[in-house]
Amino acid sequence: GNSVTQMEGPVTLSEEAFLTINCTYTATGYPSLFWYVQYPGEGLQLLLKATKADDKGSNKGFEATYRKETTSFHLEKGSVQVSDSAVYFCALTSGGYQKVTFGTGTKLQVIP
Amino acid sequence: GAGVSQTPSNKVTEKGKYVELRCDPISGHTALYWYRQSLGQGPEFLIYFQGTGAADDSGLPNDRFFAVRPEGSVSTLKIQRTERGDSAVYLCASSSHSSSTDTQYFGPGTRLTVL
Repeated sequence: GNSVTQMEGPVTLSEEAFLTINCTYTATGYPSLFWYVQYPGEGLQLLLKATKADDKGSNKGFEATYRKETTSFHLEKGSVQVSDSAVYFCALTSGGYQKVTFGTGTKLQVIP
Repeated sequence: GAGVSQTPSNKVTEKGKYVELRCDPISGHTALYWYRQSLGQGPEFLIYFQGTGAADDSGLPNDRFFAVRPEGSVSTLKIQRTERGDSAVYLCASSSHSSSTDTQYFGPGTRLTVL
């Protein structure tokens, strides 16, 4: 079956530090890959996505590249801000099915 | 525009009781999904509707859980004979189409606590 593994948190960084949150996946067929973010007190929202190999998704300074050879979709940002503090979920859909398989989430805390 | 809304935002009930959770999707979205998120975990798929019909209910944990979407818009998740293990945040999402590449838009969730 499909599964997503992401690095455990919490991750604590100083403002302007470089961020990497690792994500690897197992899926049948050719999955679409997503990063969702959950800010404190808010609902899940899509951060970025990539639907085929070598695609790069980007939004709000965050990037992730769909690496089929390593089955990875690591999230990166060059300079984090306090406002980036949230829980980040790596996720996928696969095989034409609409249900999203999520990782367990990584909590990011950015301190001034 | 209006996003996905869910009511109530919080629900506390006693073991054995029946509960209903409501989801109002984004207007015009034909696909609707229910997920359950336990503390410290990612959301887990429960059921997916395309229009009025349940296209995939493989995530429902047992026959105490049931969901309907009679007019193809609002959906209700129904839980009978609640158990303490049902305590979680129940999330609803909708998308404009049913492709696996489409973005799902999530509501704020209903936090269910079973005492």
